[in-house]
Amino acid sequence: ETGVTQSPTHLIKTRGQQVTLRCSSQSGHNTVSWYQQALGQGPQFIFQYYREEENGRGNFPPRFSGLQFPNYSSELNVNALELDDSALYLCASSPIRGEQFFGPGTRLTVL
Amino acid sequence: AQKVTQAQTEISVVEKEDVTLDCVYETRDTTYYLFWYKQPPSGELVFLIRRNSFDEQNEISGRYSWNFQKSTSSFNFTITASQVVDSAVYFCALSVKAAGNKLTFGGGTRVLVKP
Repeated sequence: ETGVTQSPTHLIKTRGQQVTLRCSSQSGHNTVSWYQQALGQGPQFIFQYYREEENGRGNFPPRFSGLQFPNYSSELNVNALELDDSALYLCASSPIRGEQFFGPGTRLTVL
Repeated sequence: AQKVTQAQTEISVVEKEDVTLDCVYETRDTTYYLFWYKQPPSGELVFLIRRNSFDEQNEISGRYSWNFQKSTSSFNFTITASQVVDSAVYFCALSVKAAGNKLTFGGGTRVLVKP
């Protein structure tokens, strides 16, 4: 059984640029959640996708957007990057109300 | 709204000592789940345990044990006879049934086990 994978592992961008992060969910899971973890803090919920529809959103501005594909993989897009967007971005897959399994994360640095 | 507080930011112990991590949560929902995750330096969150709000029975798994007390809204985690491999950041988290499985995390406690 393949676990949750994320790409890329690391990414460096400059302010104002746009970035796309990718997540492949675990086999059999139809829900993907994204979290942002700033240095030294706990993860913060960004949003969740279930069957290609957004299913809940945390306190993040609209420049954070996402997609889920028919194979349940997902993308997180961030436009107009700011310095504070520098963080570890974690993806988790699960059944709709089940246990969340996390990927290794993508570390984004905004200069 | 939900809130999870981990008052201890960092704990340092010598190998074989016991270490207890505190977690206090806030929610108005009556049906909720509590979690502990381990985050080693690699960054991936590793699931350790899930308890639901109707099950206050304490649990032991090897060197790990958990103490859930609804009366004090606490879900504490003890590592017995700590080992160097236990060095990591540990997060307590909460989800409520009404919000699906969205997790609210505490700030984490860094555990450093010295040989």
